[in-house]
Amino acid sequence: DAGVIQSPRHEVTEMGQEVTLRCKPISGHNSLFWYRQTMMRGLELLIYFNNNVPIDDSGMPEDRFSAKMPNASFSTLKIQPSEPRDSAVYFCASSPTNEQFFGPGTRLTVL
Amino acid sequence: GQQLNQSPQSMFIQEGEDVSMNCTSSSIFNTWLWYKQEPGEGPVLLIALYKAGELTSNGRLTAQFGITRKDSFLNISASIPSDVGIYFCAGQYAGGTSYGKLTFGQGTILTVHP
Repeated sequence: DAGVIQSPRHEVTEMGQEVTLRCKPISGHNSLFWYRQTMMRGLELLIYFNNNVPIDDSGMPEDRFSAKMPNASFSTLKIQPSEPRDSAVYFCASSPTNEQFFGPGTRLTVL
Repeated sequence: GQQLNQSPQSMFIQEGEDVSMNCTSSSIFNTWLWYKQEPGEGPVLLIALYKAGELTSNGRLTAQFGITRKDSFLNISASIPSDVGIYFCAGQYAGGTSYGKLTFGQGTILTVHP
């Protein structure tokens, strides 16, 4: 079975550039979660969707961050413009009910 | 806000020793999950617990859902070097509709010396 797929695995960009992270959830899972992980703050929930509808985006740091889920098999997290403090590992996870299954993450470095 | 405290923050043990870590919550949970994260990878689900008092094993790993529904522990027996990683507890609060939203502990960093 294919797990959660994220791309790219690594992204290095310059401050001010737009960054788009992509996620393909496990087929049949109806909830999708975006997390950010840093040494200082640990694992933070940014936003989550249920049946493609955003349920709670209270974890999104600011207006520079946006997320979409146009269909059940694809979601994006966009940062525009990016800043050095956005450097982190971003995880996508999907869930059928209670258990969440994580992707391998995207390591973002903003110079 | 909702609080979930995980301890210890880190452990340094010798190969062959047993390990125990735990999580406590200020609120009642209806689900407890334990994850392991290795460097460069996402968290991987180890054990899921759904009932108060439930004791579940997965190989050398054993986890229990506390009877008060506010705590859980994870034990690893006879540790081996590949047990190295960060272990996270996570819980889903009872009541309301959360669509699978989890609250995570801060993690326990496990180092195993050969």
